[in-house]
Amino acid sequence: DAGVIQSPRHEVTEMGQEVTLRCKPISGHDYLFWYRQTMMRGLELLIYFNNNVPIDDSGMPEDRFSAKMPNASFSTLKIQPSEPRDSAVYFCASTRTGRNSPLHFGNGTRLTVT
Amino acid sequence: AQSVTQPDIHITVSEGASLELRCNYSYGATPYLFWYVQSPGQGLQLLLKYFSGDTLVQGIKGFEAEFKRSQSSFNLRKPSVHWSDAAEYFCALSGGGADGLTFGKGTHLIIQP
Repeated sequence: DAGVIQSPRHEVTEMGQEVTLRCKPISGHDYLFWYRQTMMRGLELLIYFNNNVPIDDSGMPEDRFSAKMPNASFSTLKIQPSEPRDSAVYFCASTRTGRNSPLHFGNGTRLTVT
Repeated sequence: AQSVTQPDIHITVSEGASLELRCNYSYGATPYLFWYVQSPGQGLQLLLKYFSGDTLVQGIKGFEAEFKRSQSSFNLRKPSVHWSDAAEYFCALSGGGADGLTFGKGTHLIIQP
């Protein structure tokens, strides 16, 4: 089991540019989550999917943020246009249905917007 | 609304000494509780979880945690820390559904020789 795979590990971009973060969940997991981690706010849930369908996007900070899950093995988080305050580590996590199933996290994407 | 509080932002412990990291939660029923560890540049790794039953839960790497309903707490303990335990520790809560976790702000553990 390769675990949750995120790419890229690091992304540096200029303000105003579009940024796309990618995630491959663990095979067989039907839930996928996007989290953002900053020093000020800690870990925040942005959005989560069940069976590729967005269930709750109330944590998405602004319309500049969008997420998709076109199939069970791939999800993207896009920021357009990016701003310096979007700089953070973005984590993807997945789990399967069932009360005893914990979240498995990827290693994150460190985004720096200059 | 549910919440998780980790009162200690930083804790410094000598190698070989015992450790206790505090976690308090607010939830209307019995929650599912978790402790995760994050090493620098890494994602979060599950240490242990409490769902029901025995209130003392054993996890990986020699960690354990005790659920105390009367105190709304789920403190993490280790009898003897190693330098490799230096990391960020997060307590988290779930209502039981797969609707994501609510995390505490984390406690940064520093191990001194």
